[in-house]
Amino acid sequence: DTAVSQTPKYLVTQMGNDKSIKCEQNLGHDTMYWYKQDSKKFLKIMFSYNNKELIINETVPNRFSPKSPDKAHLNLHINSLELGDSAVYFCASSQAQGEGTQYFGPGTRLLVL
Amino acid sequence: GIQVEQSPPDLILQEGANSTLRCNFSDSVNNLQWFHQNPWGQLINLFYIPSGTKQNGRLSATTVATERYSLLYISSSQTTDSGVYFCGSSGTYKYIFGTGTRLKVLA
Repeated sequence: DTAVSQTPKYLVTQMGNDKSIKCEQNLGHDTMYWYKQDSKKFLKIMFSYNNKELIINETVPNRFSPKSPDKAHLNLHINSLELGDSAVYFCASSQAQGEGTQYFGPGTRLLVL
Repeated sequence: GIQVEQSPPDLILQEGANSTLRCNFSDSVNNLQWFHQNPWGQLINLFYIPSGTKQNGRLSATTVATERYSLLYISSSQTTDSGVYFCGSSGTYKYIFGTGTRLKVLA
């Protein structure tokens, strides 16, 4: 059983398009996160949700909009994709906000052409 | 906010060698974790170690929270240990990662 899953694993799209990435965790955790990993492998948090409530919203363009329909799901919608959005996006979850072991999904490799 | 420094940034080892990776924090350490990102990009939990020492096979980790650092020991390295090793810790609400140690183990 996959603890944290993401779809799709790969996403190749044109500039200006809108795309979504979905994340689901079956660990019963309260908190979910989105991270962006750039080409230099630097991992940076984008958003954090605790029990469907937005807790962290880092300096991310408002073209990025997370949505948490329930505490097991956290989706990421990106409008008007730009070349600089190309990266690997990781979803993660933990039992509580800023506490405990974080478990990561397999990542979504986004390439914007 | 909290800053995380990892050293060395790059490391090349011959198979069978031992190594120590270090993680320094600018502020109090909470919920410190070590991760391995394998060559396929997967992020794998190694240790959740806010303080003390833990061992798992050839790997062990020690965190000295009062001195704001953590060490990851890899003994008898294998080619499958190659990848990037990250440490991370949560400050207020959010988790911060170091820039990683890129390890290559040669056969």
